Amino acid sequence: GDSVTQMEGPVTLSEEAFLTINCTYTATGYPSLFWYVQYPGEGLQLLLKATKADDKGSNKGFEATYRKETTSFHLEKGSVQVSDSAVYFCALGDMGGTASKLTFGTGTRLQVTL
Amino acid sequence: DAGVIQSPRHEVTEMGQEVTLRCKPISGHNSLFWYRQTMMRGLELLIYFNNNVPIDDSGMPEDRFSAKMPNASFSTLKIQPSEPRDSAVYFCASRPPLGTQYFGPGTRLTVL
Repeated sequence: GDSVTQMEGPVTLSEEAFLTINCTYTATGYPSLFWYVQYPGEGLQLLLKATKADDKGSNKGFEATYRKETTSFHLEKGSVQVSDSAVYFCALGDMGGTASKLTFGTGTRLQVTL
Repeated sequence: DAGVIQSPRHEVTEMGQEVTLRCKPISGHNSLFWYRQTMMRGLELLIYFNNNVPIDDSGMPEDRFSAKMPNASFSTLKIQPSEPRDSAVYFCASRPPLGTQYFGPGTRLTVL
């Protein structure tokens, strides 16, 4: 079945450091890929998405590129802020952009310090 | 747009009691999802509906759990009887016909 593997956290970085959170997936067909973010005490929010190979999703300084050859969708940000502290979830959907069901990774907690 | 609305936000109950969690999806969304989040198991999909019809309930842990969607603007997740191991944060999410899922703020359930 479909699965998503994320790097384990927590990831602790100083403000303005470069961030990479690794995500790889196993799926049949051509899933859409997503990154969601969960701030403390809140629900998950869509951060970015990519619907086909070589697509790059971006939002709020975060980027991720859909790499079919390496089955990866790593999240990057050039300069993190304290306000980026949250849990980040990689997910894949079983249909194109509509993604009727999502399979989530276990989440990676990011803590950014001054 | 009010977003996905869940109630209550917090629920504390005793083992054996019935618990009902409620969700109002975003207007115009035709799919609704119930998730459970725990430290041990992460985020699990329990059940999802499309046009008010349950499509996949394979994630529902056991017969103590049931979910309904009587109309396009309301869904419930019921646990009867509740057990301490049901303690978790329960999320509802909805999705429009062409689009991505939007999550509610969650209900934190504690079963004593």
